[in-house]
Amino acid sequence: DAGITQSPRHKVTETGTPVTLRCHQTENHRYMYWYRQDPGHGLRLIHYSYGVKDTDKGEVSDGYSVSRSKTEDFLLTLESATSSQTSVYFCAISEPGGAKNIQYFGAGTRLSVL
Amino acid sequence: AQKITQTQPGMFVQEKEAVTLDCTYDTSDQSYGLFWYKQPSSGEMIFLIYQGSYDEQNATEGRYSLNFQKARKSANLVISASQLGDSAMYFCAMREGLMIYNQGGKLIFGQGTELSVKP
Repeated sequence: DAGITQSPRHKVTETGTPVTLRCHQTENHRYMYWYRQDPGHGLRLIHYSYGVKDTDKGEVSDGYSVSRSKTEDFLLTLESATSSQTSVYFCAISEPGGAKNIQYFGAGTRLSVL
Repeated sequence: AQKITQTQPGMFVQEKEAVTLDCTYDTSDQSYGLFWYKQPSSGEMIFLIYQGSYDEQNATEGRYSLNFQKARKSANLVISASQLGDSAMYFCAMREGLMIYNQGGKLIFGQGTELSVKP
């Protein structure tokens, strides 16, 4: 298994509170991604990082920010959580250097915003 | 815009039989990659198989094979000799374009097909 740890694994929070999800990898991969999974939508990309301090927006980035100060850590922050951000969040990592560039996923974080 | 379509929300297959999960894609790019992931009830996403747009042969990984029909823009997953442990959600995904430094190889996912294997 790829060395990817997401924390926390489960979180319940209230509307309007800030929330930070952490993704930690031990593979030294350059690329890291945050996706959310909702019923009927598959996985959708929120933000991704292609290096330390290099990040960009994905398909559903509104209401989210990210930071990557070290290769191994990629943080996803909900500045003021809303009920629409109730979802399962997945972190993924990949390393370029081949056509495949397979993304490997963490176990996911289930977030409920009440 | 790139898009992945999985038209089968749910499928049943008898144990030991083969099953095909459909995936069609839309892209205007000549270079792209197609992926299949498995998500069991425990929730993790497991990579199964990859097909590059320039690969001339269909990809195979053990009991998994990818029926790649480029002209029809389809990338169906074939599971041979189904096992009870194959019961899961299956996602088709596409990476469009080349791996350029800041492009990151973003994936677009389909909505998934839930496969149930009957004993």
